[in-house]
Amino acid sequence: EVQLVESGGGLVQPGSSLKLSCVASGFTFSNYGMNWIRQAPKKGLEWIALIYYDSSNKYYADSVKGRFTISRDNSKNTLYLEMNSLRSEDTAMYYCAKRYFDFWGPGTMVTVSS
Amino acid sequence: DIVMTQSPSSLAVSAGETVTINCKSSQSLLYSGNQKNYLAWYQQKPGQSPKLLIYWASTRQSGVPDRFIGSGSGTDFTLTISSVQAEDLAIYYCQQYYDTPFTFGSGTKLEIK
Repeated sequence: EVQLVESGGGLVQPGSSLKLSCVASGFTFSNYGMNWIRQAPKKGLEWIALIYYDSSNKYYADSVKGRFTISRDNSKNTLYLEMNSLRSEDTAMYYCAKRYFDFWGPGTMVTVSS
Repeated sequence: DIVMTQSPSSLAVSAGETVTINCKSSQSLLYSGNQKNYLAWYQQKPGQSPKLLIYWASTRQSGVPDRFIGSGSGTDFTLTISSVQAEDLAIYYCQQYYDTPFTFGSGTKLEIK
């Protein structure tokens, strides 16, 4: 059974940093690209980053480019999202999902507030 | 960026009725190399993460009931839910995965009368 479990969310102050993790199981993680998607409270879905299976290519939404970094460790079946210079508008539920969005994790909440 | 315009934003129907949700993209999602439309539909129930219903515009994900039907090509797409059931209460999103940034429609909230 495919499982994706995000962690690392929390309440942080504007300007601070946070690193999210997504642990994968039930499939060969190293064969698949992975995405991060976020959803602000009561709002729609926003794709924010994609990483290829071998980390050879990374793509970002303009809203996070230069502040967020997607990475992965295939030996640990884990996907990461390093978030710097956090702003109030980054407050959202953050989901990881497989390359073609066929499986999603339950999400981890990030709140940026003073 | 490809803009996805979804309508209506909400609708309320009685159980057993048929529902149609529309999604229009600002550019064609049909890739000539494989003749596939890079369009997906998702269902998000309250308090849950999104669930993939339809990919390649019309292919149902495994386990999705056959009352969910995706259609369309190019820039105009439709999700039809026939014989709506109470459990279909959710927000439905379309999404293009033709090119980054992958973009979603604004969602359609389905309520059951």
